[in-house]
Amino acid sequence: KAGVTQTPRYLIKTRGQQVTLSCSPISGHRSVSWYQQTPGQGLQFLFEYFSETQRNKGNFPGRFSGRQFSNSRSEMNVSTLELGDSALYLCASSQQGANNQPQHFGDGTRLSIL
Amino acid sequence: QKEVEQDPGPLSVPEGAIVSLNCTYSNSAFQYFMWYRQYSRKGPELLMYTYSSGNKEDGRFTAQVDKSSKYISLFIRDSQPSDSATYLCAMSDNAGNNRKLIWGLGTSLAVNP
Repeated sequence: KAGVTQTPRYLIKTRGQQVTLSCSPISGHRSVSWYQQTPGQGLQFLFEYFSETQRNKGNFPGRFSGRQFSNSRSEMNVSTLELGDSALYLCASSQQGANNQPQHFGDGTRLSIL
Repeated sequence: QKEVEQDPGPLSVPEGAIVSLNCTYSNSAFQYFMWYRQYSRKGPELLMYTYSSGNKEDGRFTAQVDKSSKYISLFIRDSQPSDSATYLCAMSDNAGNNRKLIWGLGTSLAVNP
């Protein structure tokens, strides 16, 4: 069974631009969560999608948005990029989205803002 | 003060050593405790999941929860170079919602052959 796939693996953008990251979950998984990982803050929850609906949202500004398609694939968009958005963005999938089920993480997209 | 504190290390041990990794927390409502391992340039993978207090063993790994002290540990016996990674603890008061998972910053472990 293929794991969680995130594309692209690396991305370099400049301030003010926008970016779209993609995540393909494990087949059969309906929940996709997005996290931002930085050395100083660790893993921070961005949002979760389940059956094409945003089910939970973390404490990030509205510049961070996402969506999920009918095949459970998900995209995350960040607009008006800031230097502080430089981070590893991780996507995780699970069957139902409960944290008593294992979340399977992709290898992330490393976003660098110049 | 963060809700979950984890010593960032780095921790360097010889092959075969017993490794102890720890997290402390402040929220007494936490009931669900997880340990993830993250290799360089990879996403985290779930190692251990425990509910409430007590010990759980899986091969060379033992997870221990002491709710009275608000302290959790992960022990690795007979450590191997392949155990070199960053270990993240995560915990929650609610099993049904990933948003409520609180993560430690991770401890970097190097096992030297």
